[in-house]
Amino acid sequence: GENVEQHPSTLSVQEGDSAVIKCTYSDSASNYFPWYKQELGKGPQLIIDIRSNVGEKKDQRIAVTLNKTAKHFSLHITETQPEDSAVYFCAASKGSNYQLIWGAGTKLIIKP
Amino acid sequence: DAGVIQSPRHEVTEMGQEVTLRCKLISGHNSLFWYRQTMMRGLELLIYFNNNVPIDDSGMPEDRFSAKMPNASFSTLKIQPSEPRDSAVYFCASSLSDRNVEQYFGPGTRLTVT
Repeated sequence: GENVEQHPSTLSVQEGDSAVIKCTYSDSASNYFPWYKQELGKGPQLIIDIRSNVGEKKDQRIAVTLNKTAKHFSLHITETQPEDSAVYFCAASKGSNYQLIWGAGTKLIIKP
Repeated sequence: DAGVIQSPRHEVTEMGQEVTLRCKLISGHNSLFWYRQTMMRGLELLIYFNNNVPIDDSGMPEDRFSAKMPNASFSTLKIQPSEPRDSAVYFCASSLSDRNVEQYFGPGTRLTVT
């Protein structure tokens, strides 16, 4: 079955710098790749997603890139701010008939 | 809309007791997910409903766990009897149609079984 690996498990960056979180997946049939952000004491919240027909998607300071050949996708956060501190999860799915397979999460710490 | 509503937010119970967690979906959503989150195992999907029908319950740990959707907007997750290893944060999430669109998570129920 599908397996999603996420790295690093913890990432500490200086405020204003960029942060990159990477995920790899095992099933080449996967075609949907969301990223969720979980703040302390809250449930995860979708921040951006990408489908396999595009290679990159941007939303203000957040971008996701997808390399289908290498089976990996990455979350990029530019100009990081204190409110970006949270746990970020990637996930992958082969389609609506299949469940999302979640990565283990990355704790992002923004140092002031 | 108030978003996904879960109750209780915190539950402390003794081993062997029955626990019932509740979830109210966002109006108009027809897919419902129950997740469990622990430090050791991360975020695990327990069960997925679509249009009130359980589609995938392969993540339900064992027969002590059961989930129902008595109507289109409400779901319960029951653990009977509870055990200390069931201690976790349980999330309910809903979506408009299926598993591959945005899932809206509730605030979670932190369950502690002593």
